[in-house]
Amino acid sequence: DGGITQSPKYLFRKEGQNVTLSCEQNLNHDAMYWYRQDPGQGLRLIYYSQIVNDFQKGDIAEGYSVSREKKESFPLTVTSAQKNPTAFYLCASSIRGQGAAQETQYFGPGTRLLVL
Amino acid sequence: EDKVVQSPLSLVVHEGDTVTLNCSYEVTNFRSLLWYKQEKKAPTFLFMLTSSGIEKKSGRLSSILDKKELFSILNITATQTGDSAVYLCALKTSYDKVIFGPGTSLSVIP
Repeated sequence: DGGITQSPKYLFRKEGQNVTLSCEQNLNHDAMYWYRQDPGQGLRLIYYSQIVNDFQKGDIAEGYSVSREKKESFPLTVTSAQKNPTAFYLCASSIRGQGAAQETQYFGPGTRLLVL
Repeated sequence: EDKVVQSPLSLVVHEGDTVTLNCSYEVTNFRSLLWYKQEKKAPTFLFMLTSSGIEKKSGRLSSILDKKELFSILNITATQTGDSAVYLCALKTSYDKVIFGPGTSLSVIP
């Protein structure tokens, strides 16, 4: 089945530790996105990538890093510089182009990150 | 700076009521406006709007865009308890950047 997967579902981080959240899609989508959602709030864009080996900062990129070495994969690293990382992280992908199907983002199930 | 504002931030209505959710925006290089419904986890797609004045409908939900005044509305008629969710408005730019508003939390009580 085609889709977008995220792992793990829950992740615990100790103070000062870097952690990496996985996002994989087999939809052949060019564009991929990472969002952070805090309780009772909307989605805030961390990073996005239009094509392989290229990515752009979103509104809250500080303390995060990404890579896009393969079309299917867009991992997010939460570094120790991110002082308040506890949140729900959502990965999404979409086709590049125009039209209803192309504009839609497909979301993964999310990863909940907790700081110990 | 690109920005999406939604109002109200939360809303409580009784079953059968009609609700109107608002989304206003400031964005360079507008390409489309998207509405999503989020219940427990990942958002699910509702509508995509690109042209002013053309209403999109799906059952009891409908939406319209005004590109001159830079806003969109999402209407839900004859609300049901299953409509309880957070409704998110998002903007997509010509550079594939997608930014979301804070969402409107809708609670429909029996």
